[in-house]
Parts: sequence; C-alpha cells; structure tokens
Amino acid sequence: GENVEQHPSTLSVQEGDSAVIKCTYSDSASNYFPWYKQELGKGPQLIIDIRSNVGEKKDQRIAVTLNKTAKHFSLHITETQPEDSAVYFCAAKRGLDNYGQNFVFGPGTRLSVLP
Amino acid sequence: EAGVAQSPRYKIIEKRQSVAFWCNPISGHATLYWYQQILGQGPKLLIQFQNNGVVDDSQLPKDRFSAERLKGVDSTLKIQPAKLEDSAVYLCASSLEPTSYNEQFFGPGTRLTVL
Repeated sequence: GENVEQHPSTLSVQEGDSAVIKCTYSDSASNYFPWYKQELGKGPQLIIDIRSNVGEKKDQRIAVTLNKTAKHFSLHITETQPEDSAVYFCAAKRGLDNYGQNFVFGPGTRLSVLP
Repeated sequence: EAGVAQSPRYKIIEKRQSVAFWCNPISGHATLYWYQQILGQGPKLLIQFQNNGVVDDSQLPKDRFSAERLKGVDSTLKIQPAKLEDSAVYLCASSLEPTSYNEQFFGPGTRLTVL
C-alpha cells in the first residue's frame, strides 16, 4: 500500500522568510497530491493540490512541485507570516481509479513563523 | 455556506465503555468520510460513504467500530467497547462528488480520551 513520509516534523522560520516542506510517496500509481493546513482545534483545510500530469502549481505565496520520477513533492511558502503557523499535512491518493478520495496522509509538519 | 458540523467536541470515557459521534455534512455533499487522527499523526481514513452506501471500510476495526449514514445525510460513528488506543481526534469530512479531485471539507473533530 501507499506510504507517505514528510520532513521536517517541525520547522521554525523568521517572518518574511521562506518555508519548504518535503514529502515522498511509495506508490507510483498515486496521481493526486493535496496539501492541508490544520490550525489548533480545527479540521484540516485544503490549501493547494497538484495532479500527476503537472510539475508545478502556484497560488499567491504558496507553490507545490512534483517529481514523479523521484516520487516526491514539496510545499513552498514564501514571505511567511505569523498566520501561516500551523500543522501542514501532505497526502497522496492511493488507487488507480477516479472514484473516491482515499488519501494516505503524511505525519505532518509543525510550522512556526517567528515575528 | 455552513461547514461540516460534529458533536460532541470532546468526550472522556473509561475503557470498555461505548461512545458515539455525530456528523452533519455540508448540504448536498454526497460523500462522507470518517477519519481517525492520533496525536502527532496524519488523519487515517476509517470509512467512506457515498450517499447511504459504504464505499470503503477496509481500515475500520469492525470488531469494535461501526458507522451508519441513514438517509444519506447525517452519520454516526460508534465505538463499543473502547480501548485506550482509541484516544484520538475523530474527523468527519464531506465532498460534493466522490471523484478524485473534489475538495474534502473537514469538520472540527471530536477529541476522544479513553481512560
């Protein structure tokens, strides 16, 4: 089955700096990779996603890159702000079919943006 | 638009007791998911419903966990009897369609502590 690893487990950056979180997956059949942000006491919220036929996607200060050959994908946050502080999860969709969203989540990265 | 509602938000029980969680998805969302999130880990899918039918329950410990979604709207997740290792946050999520690329919207979760 699919296995998703995520690094680092904790990350502290100064406000305004960039943050990078990396994930690797094991199942070459995985074809969809969302990133979620989870604030304290709340459920995860989708912030960006990428499909396997795309190498990079950007949305304002957030970007995701995917290397299918190496089976890894990364989240990049530029110009970090205190409100970016949260736990970030990557996920990979297991299975070949387009029915269902059976994600395997990474263990999470706790990002702290220091003022 | 109202989000995914869950209750209770917190529950403390002793081992071998029973507990039930309730979820009300976003109106019109056909697909409903229950996840278990153990402290420091990513969410793990327990069961997925499409309307009132089960799509995937391969990771549900069926000897003690059960879930239903009567009438294809609200859902309940039950644990009977509870074990210490069931202590976790139970997240409910819903999506409009079950296809791969539709966003899952998560509720705030129910934090269960088993003593």
